[in-house]
Amino acid sequence: DGGITQSPKYLFRKEGQNVTLSCEQNLNHDAMYWYRQDPGQGLRLIYYSQIVNDFQKGDIAEGYSVSREKKESFPLTVTSAQKNPTAFYLCASSPGTENTEAFFGQGTRLTVV
Amino acid sequence: AQSVTQLGSHVSVSEGALVLLRCNYSSSVPPYLFWYVQYPNQGLQLLLKYTSAATLVKGINGFEAEFKKSETSFHLTKPSAHMSDAAEYFCAVRDLDSSYKLIFGSGTRLLVRP
Repeated sequence: DGGITQSPKYLFRKEGQNVTLSCEQNLNHDAMYWYRQDPGQGLRLIYYSQIVNDFQKGDIAEGYSVSREKKESFPLTVTSAQKNPTAFYLCASSPGTENTEAFFGQGTRLTVV
Repeated sequence: AQSVTQLGSHVSVSEGALVLLRCNYSSSVPPYLFWYVQYPNQGLQLLLKYTSAATLVKGINGFEAEFKKSETSFHLTKPSAHMSDAAEYFCAVRDLDSSYKLIFGSGTRLLVRP
C-alpha cells in the first residue's frame, strides 16, 4: 500500500532533549511538509521541501530542523530551543503541482515533560 | 499571499439535519481549494478539491462544496448529517506565490446530536 508513515505515534521526552520524528513516503512525491497542530490553531507549516537536498522554512521554523537526503524521507528534529514543543505533528507529501492535494500521515503526538 | 478563513470554530447539528461549514478565501488569482476531515488523533483525509473544472464539487461521504467567485467562498455542505460525520474539518488553499504550499484555516469542529 502506498502512503505516508510517521513514527512513533506517541513520544515522550524530557525538557531540554532533542527528539527526531520520522516521516517516510512511498508515493514517489517530490514535495514533503511538516505541520504542527495545536487546539484551535489549525495547522501551521514548520518546514517544507520541494526536492531532495533542498528545504525551506515555513511560518514557525524556529527551534526545528529538517533534512531531505532521500526523496522518500523527511525527518523533523525538535530541538531544545523550541520553547513549547508539546503538540501534534503531521507530515504530508504531494506531487508538487498546484492542483494536487497533499497526503497526510497519521501524526506523532509529542509530549515534553 | 493566499489565505482562508473558516467561520465558526464549532458547529452543532442534529442527526439528519443539513451540514454547512463555511470557508472564505483570499486570492488575487483563481485559487486551488481543498476540504479535509480529521478524526481524533489521526491525520487529515481529503474530502474534495476545487481545481477550476466545475464550480460544484462532489466529494466522499456525501459532502459537496460550491465555489462562488463573487462571494470568495467555498462552503462545505451535506444534506443529512450522520453521527459518523462528527470530526474536525479544515479548508485549505494552495499558496501560488510560494512553492505551492498548502495554507490551512483554523478548522471547524462538527458535533452531531442524536
